[in-house]
Amino acid sequence: GAGVSQTPSNKVTEKGKYVELRCDPISGHTALYWYRQSLGQGPEFLIYFQGTGAADDSGLPNDRFFAVRPEGSVSTLKIQRTERGDSAVYLCASSPTGQSDTQYFGPGTRLTVL
Amino acid sequence: GNSVTQMEGPVTLSEEAFLTINCTYTATGYPSLFWYVQYPGEGLQLLLKATKADDKGSNKGFEATYRKETTSFHLEKGSVQVSDSAVYFCALRATGGFKTIFGAGTRLFVKA
Repeated sequence: GAGVSQTPSNKVTEKGKYVELRCDPISGHTALYWYRQSLGQGPEFLIYFQGTGAADDSGLPNDRFFAVRPEGSVSTLKIQRTERGDSAVYLCASSPTGQSDTQYFGPGTRLTVL
Repeated sequence: GNSVTQMEGPVTLSEEAFLTINCTYTATGYPSLFWYVQYPGEGLQLLLKATKADDKGSNKGFEATYRKETTSFHLEKGSVQVSDSAVYFCALRATGGFKTIFGAGTRLFVKA
């Protein structure tokens, strides 16, 4: 079956611009996660959704970052006033119900802020 | 807080050599432990996991044993192949938790 998909695969933007990154989880998965992976590092947790609600957003670095999942399926990560330090690969993962499930990762969106 | 430390790479081996990638963790209680692999140009994939002390996770010839006494989860393979060349991440998830905490990754190169 289809895995987790993310669009776009690459995004280049200029400092100060607004960007949206999209994640399509595996059908039927209620849990969705966003991570950020900087070059040479492991992924860092950003936010976790259970259904439509953000159950844990403790990893969002500041209020320029926001994520939504209005219908409990597709999620969008939104970054306002982008900075060069936001450049990274943004990973999305989903799991059937949460907690002890295996997380399935998408291929990521590589964001470059010039 | 919870954290994962794994050996720095890159690790370069010849085909059929024995592989060990060390991983130690800091966490309260009994976290679940994971090894993920990222092949060139591909997304993260779960390689194996262990959910309680003394459990051994295994997959594709790779093994790792959950050692509570040494807070370790070292990855081993008896005979590596060129196709094992990838970046390997050790990770943990706290008991009852949702977020996965990853190590920095270890890049493995296997030469023919």
